[in-house]
Amino acid sequence: DGGITQSPKYLFRKEGQNVTLSCEQNLNHDAMYWYRQDPGQGLRLIYYSQIVNDFQKGDIAEGYSVSREKKESFPLTVTSAQKNPTAFYLCASSHPRGDYGYTFGSGTRLTVV
Amino acid sequence: AQSVTQLDSQVPVFEEAPVELRCNYSSSVSVYLFWYVQYPNQGLQLLLKYLSGSTLVKGINGFEAEFNKSQTSFHLRKPSVHISDTAEYFCAVGETSGSRLTFGEGTQLTVNP
Repeated sequence: DGGITQSPKYLFRKEGQNVTLSCEQNLNHDAMYWYRQDPGQGLRLIYYSQIVNDFQKGDIAEGYSVSREKKESFPLTVTSAQKNPTAFYLCASSHPRGDYGYTFGSGTRLTVV
Repeated sequence: AQSVTQLDSQVPVFEEAPVELRCNYSSSVSVYLFWYVQYPNQGLQLLLKYLSGSTLVKGINGFEAEFNKSQTSFHLRKPSVHISDTAEYFCAVGETSGSRLTFGEGTQLTVNP
């Protein structure tokens, strides 16, 4: 079955370390997105990519970086510059037809220790 | 640009009672509308969507929503809720000409016995 896989489910990081969250999809979707979710704050867009080798900043890109070298993969790196990285991170993808909506991964919970 | 307002951040109800989660949107162009559900520590799942045609849309788990163009609303309803409906619900809007979605802040539905 097609879908989006995020790994790992839980991730612990020491302060000052970079960490990369994985997002892979086999839906043949062109566009992919990264969201951050904190309690009571809804979904905040970090980065999105509409095509391979191209991506744009979302509303809260500072302290994060992404790459889109393959259509199937859109990894997110949380750098040491991100002051408050503890959060739930969601990856999504969308078909070019807008009426399909988004397909979401199951999320990665990152905790800084 | 479009925006979405979910009018209630938290909605507590008793089991077997009816519920309505309210969503208003703003857009200058034609839109698609979606409701997603998120259970704890999981990704978002599509509940239902309005694309065109009948303004009453039925989704999974007994939920339905009504599109009201004059009031720019897309409220979600269920006639009788279960404990298992406890989750966060997100309303989203997207332009018919594209595939990006704008999400509301979310409504936490808590069903009490």
